[in-house]
Amino acid sequence: EVQLVESGGGLVQPGGSLRLSCVVSGFIFSNSWMAWVRQAPGKGLEWVANIKADGSETYYVDSVKGRFTISKDNARNSLYLQMDSLRVEDTAVYHCARHCGGSICSRAFDMWGQGTLVTVSS
Amino acid sequence: DIVMTQSPLSLPVTPGEPASISCRSSQSLLQSNGITFLHWYLQKPGQSPQLLISLGSNRASGVPDRFSGSGSGTDFTLKISRVQADDVGVYYCMQALQTPWTFGQGTKVEIK
Repeated sequence: EVQLVESGGGLVQPGGSLRLSCVVSGFIFSNSWMAWVRQAPGKGLEWVANIKADGSETYYVDSVKGRFTISKDNARNSLYLQMDSLRVEDTAVYHCARHCGGSICSRAFDMWGQGTLVTVSS
Repeated sequence: DIVMTQSPLSLPVTPGEPASISCRSSQSLLQSNGITFLHWYLQKPGQSPQLLISLGSNRASGVPDRFSGSGSGTDFTLKISRVQADDVGVYYCMQALQTPWTFGQGTKVEIK
């Protein structure tokens, strides 16, 4: 069974930092592109970042560039999101998601974690 | 950035009746290799999103055949042939042609 389990969310003051983790099981993590997608309270979905299977390439939405860093540890089956200089507008549930590996679903997110809530507030 | 626009934003439906959601992109989602990077997701109440349709028309594993996706270029449609009570939630289209990947605003489907 495929599982993605996020952790690391919480309450942090503006300007602070958090590191989110996503531990996966049930598939070959080292072969998988991965992503973080967030959802502000009562709002829609926003792609945040993704990372190539071997970690050699990363991509970010402009609003987090220079503040967030996505990484993966294939030996630990873990995806991370280091979030620095947090802003109130970063408040959201953060989901990790797996890129679909097949040619018929390229660049779709076929598996999602349940999410971890990040609240940025003073 | 590519802007994704869905309509309607709210869709009351009657069980057993068809339903349709439109998604338009601000530029063509057709890549030079012939692939159209448009995906559909459903977020049921209290749950994480789930993939419904990939690359415009490919149903994801386990998705009932009452769901279908169509369209090309900038205009796409998700259709439910006969809505069931379990289909309620928010439907999102998403483009993955170029970063930043962007979602539509979401269409909330609820039972009348």
